Amino acid sequence: GEDVEQSLFLSVREGDSSVINCTYTDSSSTYLYWYKQEPGAGLQLLTYIFSNMDMKQDQRLTVLLNKKDKHLSLRIADTQTGDSAIYFCAESMGGSYIPTFGRGTSLIVHP
Amino acid sequence: DTAVSQTPKYLVTQMGNDKSIKCEQNLGHDTMYWYKQDSKKFLKIMFSYNNKELIINETVPNRFSPKSPDKAHLNLHINSLELGDSAVYFCASSNIANEQFFGPGTRLTVL
Repeated sequence: GEDVEQSLFLSVREGDSSVINCTYTDSSSTYLYWYKQEPGAGLQLLTYIFSNMDMKQDQRLTVLLNKKDKHLSLRIADTQTGDSAIYFCAESMGGSYIPTFGRGTSLIVHP
Repeated sequence: DTAVSQTPKYLVTQMGNDKSIKCEQNLGHDTMYWYKQDSKKFLKIMFSYNNKELIINETVPNRFSPKSPDKAHLNLHINSLELGDSAVYFCASSNIANEQFFGPGTRLTVL
């Protein structure tokens, strides 16, 4: 099976909160990342969290990590239409270790 | 200044041809990558190149070969192009925390 799993689609109304979930299998992961891909563009790093942290907040973004369950989530507060994109979860041991990406979650924000 | 750049942005070619995609990063990173993104947005790593050490994804056909003239460049050469090679190819570089910085992508269409 896949090392990093995400649901493929999420639809929310503008102004609501979005929560994108991710599970991973590698317990030795040191870094866990969230990337955003807008149409026709490359992936852009949004944020990352160390495996020894439970939570990280950056403006409208909140990352929660449950290391025991190997579950990572990204919460976007007050979701806007400009947040519509594909969000990729990824994990890595850092350094030159090759990261493993999930298949991406398409977030659709409607008025 | 563009951190990771790729050329060309679009590439349309006939089956059987040989083509190259160029990538340059000005971030001073030691590690560079090539990824393939298919029509379902699944991101697959093809190569990782770090200090002259090449890590190859074993599923990548040997028609694909990365070439690195120096630390800031990692080009991708593809021989005998096939229809299934049609995809978006992303170059990336990473720092010590393995944060990936992606280029804008090259959309390859094989006819």
